[in-house]
Amino acid sequence: GAGVSQSPSNKVTEKGKDVELRCDPISGHTALYWYRQRLGQGLEFLIYFQGNSAPDKSGLPSDRFSAERTGESVSTLTIQRTQQEDSAVYLCASSLEASGGRAQYFGPGTRLLVL
Amino acid sequence: GEDVEQSLFLSVREGDSSVINCTYTDSSSTYLYWYKQEPGAGLQLLTYIFSNMDMKQDQRLTVLLNKKDKHLSLRIADTQTGDSAIYFCAENSGSARQLTFGSGTQLTVLP
Repeated sequence: GAGVSQSPSNKVTEKGKDVELRCDPISGHTALYWYRQRLGQGLEFLIYFQGNSAPDKSGLPSDRFSAERTGESVSTLTIQRTQQEDSAVYLCASSLEASGGRAQYFGPGTRLLVL
Repeated sequence: GEDVEQSLFLSVREGDSSVINCTYTDSSSTYLYWYKQEPGAGLQLLTYIFSNMDMKQDQRLTVLLNKKDKHLSLRIADTQTGDSAIYFCAENSGSARQLTFGSGTQLTVLP
């Protein structure tokens, strides 16, 4: 597609349930990033993938968060046993490669609300 | 760790110039970015500058970088109501892959 797409666009869940968020990067982009944006704040880095290399998970806030990516295609971010503080917009970005200066292009985000 | 700071709000009159400022702490920052976020939308990349540059101009946008003071600014000439949005400054160093973002500046353009 022309840009990064994410689904669902909105997700409302109950505390304790698991959620799965999906990201389709721009075709040909080898690097993929997940960020979280809490209300009124900037973006917090969560995880990035570069080709077939081991992902950098240094930003994941707890072991309830995990992400997968198959090759250079779709990625899923899974949050287990959701908590109210997980409510945020989850943004995915992709770039040609994970190196400085490779501009990251963002999707529209998934708005997660945990009740 | 790295830190990026921005003022929270800026209001300007339509037709005036807007200047959005950003400071950062990481002296190894090599790339600095400006993103625009409109209500309910994702982030749109506006422009970016490499740290060995002082200035970059792209149509109505001018980016100025003062590496000594670790200060970055975005000037929008002839600001229009469609420029109303949140503007994020972001940086990464050569060794980091992820971007570090400021909290964003809410630009309001008054008619």
